[in-house]
This record gives sequence, structure tokens and C-alpha cells, in this order.
Amino acid sequence: DAGVIQSPRHEVTEMGQEVTLRCKPISGHNSLFWYRQTMMRGLELLIYFNNNVPIDDSGMPEDRFSAKMPNASFSTLKIQPSEPRDSAVYFCASSLGRRGDEQFFGPGTRLTVL
Amino acid sequence: QKEVEQNSGPLSVPEGAIASLNCTYSDRVSQSFFWYRQYSGKSPELIMSIYSNGDKEDGRFTAQLNKASQYVSLLIRDSQPSDSATYLCAVNSGGSNYKLTFGKGTLLTVNP
Repeated sequence: DAGVIQSPRHEVTEMGQEVTLRCKPISGHNSLFWYRQTMMRGLELLIYFNNNVPIDDSGMPEDRFSAKMPNASFSTLKIQPSEPRDSAVYFCASSLGRRGDEQFFGPGTRLTVL
Repeated sequence: QKEVEQNSGPLSVPEGAIASLNCTYSDRVSQSFFWYRQYSGKSPELIMSIYSNGDKEDGRFTAQLNKASQYVSLLIRDSQPSDSATYLCAVNSGGSNYKLTFGKGTLLTVNP
């Protein structure tokens, strides 16, 4: 079975540009999570969806970040405008959506904002 | 602010030894606990989950949970160089069915 799929794997952009990260969760999983990982702050939850509905976006750093999940098999995380401090690895994870369920991570997108 | 604390390491053990990784958490109502392994440049990989007090064994890995002490640990027996990685402890946030809080991880190095 395919795991969580993310694209692109690497993104290099210039400050001020729009960045869109994409995620396809594991088929049948009802919950989807976007994380950001940096050396300084570790792995931080940005937002999570359950049944395509955003449940908690308290981790989204500011209005420049937005996320959507138009259907059960696709989600996007958009940053506009991007800033150098957004440089990080962004992971998408999915789970079955039940209490205590295990989350499975995608390979991540390494974002560099120059 | 719910917190998950881990020793950052690095923890260095010789091949064949037991590696012991520790994690404490602040939220008393947490019910689900996970250990992830992350190789450099890769994504976190789930290796153990534990929900009840006591020990849970899976191959060379044993997870231990003590909810009264708010403590969870991971033991790796017969450590191999391939176990060298960062180990992340994750705890579900109290009141939330789905949300996990991660520790910053412990870097383990197994020396041949």
C-alpha cells in the first residue's frame, strides 16, 4: 500500500513568493496533519483535519499560512508571502481518526526560502 | 502548555548493549504514547505505541509506561549500528482524540 505522499520533496524559492505544498493521505485515513520541523523548535503541529474539516489550526504561525482539504485524498498547505524564517521541513501525516490512533508520516518537503 | 521532555543526548552505546530512552510529559490526562524513529534527513517512523501502564515488547524494543509518574521509556536490546537515529516521544494532548505533542528527540549513536 502507498504511504502518505507529499510533493514537492524539495522547494527553493525567494522571499515574497507563494509556496504550495501538497499531500495525499493514506487511503481510508480520516485525519490529516501538517507539521513543521526545525532544529530549534522540533516537530510542531500546524493544523489538523478530521473528515476534511479543519479541527485545530492553533499551530499555524500567522495569516501567511493557510491549509485546505477539498476532499479525502488531497490537502494543501500554502505560504504567501514566504519568508526566510519559513525555511523548514514540512511533514504531512495521516491516521484513521480514532482516539489514540497512530499517525503515519510522509517523506516531507524541505523548503528553503532565500 | 502541554510539554513532552526528552534528554537531547547524544546517547552513545556500544553495539549489543541496551539503550534506554526516557520521556516525561506534563498532561495528566494523556492516554496514548508513541515512539518514533527518525533517521537523518528522513521522516519520523512509528516504532511503538503504548496505552496502558506496564511494559509492551516488540522484538528488540520494549516500551514502558507509568502514568502515575508521567513517564514513558523505550528500551532497545542488542543495539545495532542501524539503530542510530533520533528517537521522538509523542503524547496525545489531553482532551483531544487526535493531537500529538512531540518531544524534541534523543539522538542515539550505536558504536560498532
